[in-house]
Amino acid sequence: GAGVSQSPSNKVTEKGKDVELRCDPISGHTALYWYRQSLGQGLEFLIYFQGNSAPDKSGLPSDRFSAERTGGSVSTLTIQRTQQEDSAVYLCASSRGTGSRVYGYTFGSGTRLTVV
Amino acid sequence: RKEVEQDPGPFNVPEGATVAFNCTYSNSASQSFFWYRQDCRKEPKLLMSVYSSGNEDGRFTAQLNRASQYISLLIRDSKLSDSATYLCVVNTNAGKSTFGDGTTLTVKP
Repeated sequence: GAGVSQSPSNKVTEKGKDVELRCDPISGHTALYWYRQSLGQGLEFLIYFQGNSAPDKSGLPSDRFSAERTGGSVSTLTIQRTQQEDSAVYLCASSRGTGSRVYGYTFGSGTRLTVV
Repeated sequence: RKEVEQDPGPFNVPEGATVAFNCTYSNSASQSFFWYRQDCRKEPKLLMSVYSSGNEDGRFTAQLNRASQYISLLIRDSKLSDSATYLCVVNTNAGKSTFGDGTTLTVKP
């Protein structure tokens, strides 16, 4: 597609439920990133995929968070047993990312998650 | 200390003014630098990369000072449409980028 697509755009869930957030990156972009942004705050890194390499999971805040990227394209971020502090906008980005050369990111419009 | 630090502002300037933002980073091994803008309740969008020699894109000029570990963004002839939050971004190891918390700019008529 022309841009990074995220779904759903909004998600309201009850505390304790599991949620899945989806990201469809720009075709041909080998690098994919998940960040989250709480209201009025900066971007917090969560996880990074680059090609077939093992993902950098160093930003995941707890073991309730996991992500996968299938076939080097679509990625799913899963949050188990959601808590109110998980409420935030979850942003996915992709880039050409070819190892030593760093390219700017293209972000999706995000998923606004509200845990009630 | 945060890896990337920005003055949060807000900067309130009249149309036509020149405004400059600075950003400092802590990791001397950092290699790639960017400025993004983020409009209210929208996703960040890449504004420009920052090169060692400095670079210009229309009314925007970005500069890098490796010795002092800061980057800057200069906006000339400010427009109302420049009102946004400007994010400084630093990449150290070709992996994840670290975002500053942003500087808010409001341009007033």
